[in-house]
Amino acid sequence: NAGVTQTPKFRVLKTGQSMTLLCAQDMNHEYMYWYRQDPGMGLRLIHYSVGEGTTAKGEVPDGYNVSRLKKQNFLLGLESAAPSQTSVYFCASKQDTQETQYFGPGTRLLVL
Amino acid sequence: QQQVKQSPQSLIVQKGGISIINCAYENTAFDYFPWYQQFPGKGPALLIAIRPDVSEKKEGRFTISFNKSAKQFSLHIMDSQPGDSATYFCAARGTSGSRLTFGEGTQLTVNP
Repeated sequence: NAGVTQTPKFRVLKTGQSMTLLCAQDMNHEYMYWYRQDPGMGLRLIHYSVGEGTTAKGEVPDGYNVSRLKKQNFLLGLESAAPSQTSVYFCASKQDTQETQYFGPGTRLLVL
Repeated sequence: QQQVKQSPQSLIVQKGGISIINCAYENTAFDYFPWYQQFPGKGPALLIAIRPDVSEKKEGRFTISFNKSAKQFSLHIMDSQPGDSATYFCAARGTSGSRLTFGEGTQLTVNP
C-alpha cells in the first residue's frame, strides 16, 4: 500500500496562475482533508470531505476549491494564486470508524 | 482564532533529558487529544493520543498528562534521544468527530 500520495511535490507559480493539487489514498478511507502548514501557525484545515461527492469548508477555505469525484482522490484547486498561498500543503485521510489521520508527504508551493 | 495553544515554539534538550511540551484548549466539547510527530520533509504521523476520561497515558518513553479542569494537556518524552528531534503538534477533536484543531507546533532538538 502506498498510503496517501500527493502530486506534485513542489511547484512554483506566478501570481494569478491556477493549479490543482492531487491527493490519492489507497486505504479505502471515507474522510479526506487538505491542510496548509505555515511557520508558527501549525496545521490549518482548508477543506475536507466525509465521503465521495461531499466537501465542506475548514478554517481557511478562501481562495481554494476542492472536489471529491472519486473516493480515493481529493483535489485542491487554486483558481488565482496569491503570494499568501505560499505554503506546504498536506493531504490526510482517515477511516470513518477510527480516529487516526494518515498524512501524505506534502506539496511545497511557492507563489511569486 | 486558535482554539489550541501550544508552547514552547522551540525546545532544545540534551540527550537523556526530559522534553515537555504543553497545550491548552478552550472548547470543553473536545473529546480526543492526539499528538502528531513530524520529521523534516515528511507528513505528520500519530504518536500518542488520550481521551479526557483518563489523566495519563504512557507508551514507551512518551507520556500524555491530561488536566481536564485546567483544560491543559502535555507531552513528556523521557530519556530524549537525537532521533526524537522533530516537530510535535498537539491537536483536539470536536464532538462532530471529523475535524482536528492543531496547535502551532513545537520544534524539538535533542543534542547528542
